[in-house]
Amino acid sequence: AQSVAQPEDQVNVAEGNPLTVKCTYSVSGNPYLFWYVQYPNRGLQFLLKYITGDNLVKGSYGFEAEFNKSQTSFHLKKPSALVSDSALYFCAVRDRNYGGSQGNLIFGKGTKLSVKP
Amino acid sequence: DAGVTQSPTHLIKTRGQQVTLRCSPKSGHDTVSWYQQALGQGPQFIFQYYEEEERQRGNFPDRFSGHQFPNYSSELNVNALLLGDSALYLCASSPGTSVRNEQFFGPGTRLTVL
Repeated sequence: AQSVAQPEDQVNVAEGNPLTVKCTYSVSGNPYLFWYVQYPNRGLQFLLKYITGDNLVKGSYGFEAEFNKSQTSFHLKKPSALVSDSALYFCAVRDRNYGGSQGNLIFGKGTKLSVKP
Repeated sequence: DAGVTQSPTHLIKTRGQQVTLRCSPKSGHDTVSWYQQALGQGPQFIFQYYEEEERQRGNFPDRFSGHQFPNYSSELNVNALLLGDSALYLCASSPGTSVRNEQFFGPGTRLTVL
């Protein structure tokens, strides 16, 4: 069965410091991996995805993520955090061998990122 | 270009009632998925519609049903509401059914069941 784990409920970072939000996954085949961000009372906004190729993926708002197959991880990173980055972050996975049609996204429980001035 | 829109924004119902939520996909998108996000949890997949047919379904009872119209918009219907159905319901759209495509989410409908 497919699953996603976000081991930290909350991550606290000072503005200007680097941030990392952790994600590990479990799928039977090879994964497609996604990061979304959710601001209060808003839907999810797409940040970036890993499909194939370079393990380091760059996305919106200066975020990037590194795919590590041996550790089954896809951690989200940003070199210098902003107060405006404070939000709820979700990692999601889709098994590329799901079969034919799109298949649903499996989400983690989310990690609340708090960036203090 | 409008993104994914959902209506209503908020809804309050009582146990046993029925509810219909609506979604208009992003322009150019023909595939619509619905998710339920309980408080403090990640979204959970309910079902997906493509070409006016339900293509995939998550682990939700038959009380949850849907429809897709020729213009690709979609409805989610929930019958015999339970307290546990209180959640944020998210609609997501994508162009086609390729597994490589990200989904674009609407702002959601907050359903409260009393």
